[in-house]
Amino acid sequence: AQKVTQAQTEISVVEKEDVTLDCVYETRDTTYYLFWYKQPPSGELVFLIRRNSFDEQNEISGRYSWNFQKSTSSFNFTITASQVVDSAVYFCALSEIGNYGQNFVFGPGTRLSVLP
Amino acid sequence: GAGVSQSPRYKVAKRGQDVALRCDPISGHVSLFWYQQALGQGPEFLTYFQNEAQLDKSGLPSDRFFAERPEGSVSTLKIQRTQQEDSAVYLCASSFGDREDNQPQHFGDGTRLSIL
Repeated sequence: AQKVTQAQTEISVVEKEDVTLDCVYETRDTTYYLFWYKQPPSGELVFLIRRNSFDEQNEISGRYSWNFQKSTSSFNFTITASQVVDSAVYFCALSEIGNYGQNFVFGPGTRLSVLP
Repeated sequence: GAGVSQSPRYKVAKRGQDVALRCDPISGHVSLFWYQQALGQGPEFLTYFQNEAQLDKSGLPSDRFFAERPEGSVSTLKIQRTQQEDSAVYLCASSFGDREDNQPQHFGDGTRLSIL
């Protein structure tokens, strides 16, 4: 079973639209971390956010916001008023710590295209 | 340099040849990771170093893959007797603390390996 699922393979929006990228994870550990990374066409993954399993507070950073819900094992990412520069592949990742060892797993990614 | 540096940026090799990929992490970073990213997929973990110690090589797909970090800084990923299925982007990442700290990983631009 896939530990990190990003059901949306590709999304296209028009500039200034809001867009939400979904991430659903699976773990048996009670302690874990979740991450979002952005991979622009240049190829380098850029860190966006880290959240630990004990902190369910939603977070906002400029046009970016994250909604962490343990009850549904989801960690969704919303971009408000999207811009062309937001076009990239976005990866959600899970880091597990616990009885089952250390494990860092990326999801398959969602390719976001923001059209002018 | 300020970021993680990988070389070469592109590598083309004939099937059966050996290749060596280099990663120069951010100075002072304890942890170093190698990932393999196939086209259209998320990065997959290969191996992890804490300083010069290779603590996890569970992701290496075969004994043709070998990694080292002899002085706890620069790392080399070597692939012997390359096969076509080895064609992928190889990403290196480093982070300040131990892997268990789950600090953000800083990625290089990757080496795109093509096996003919």
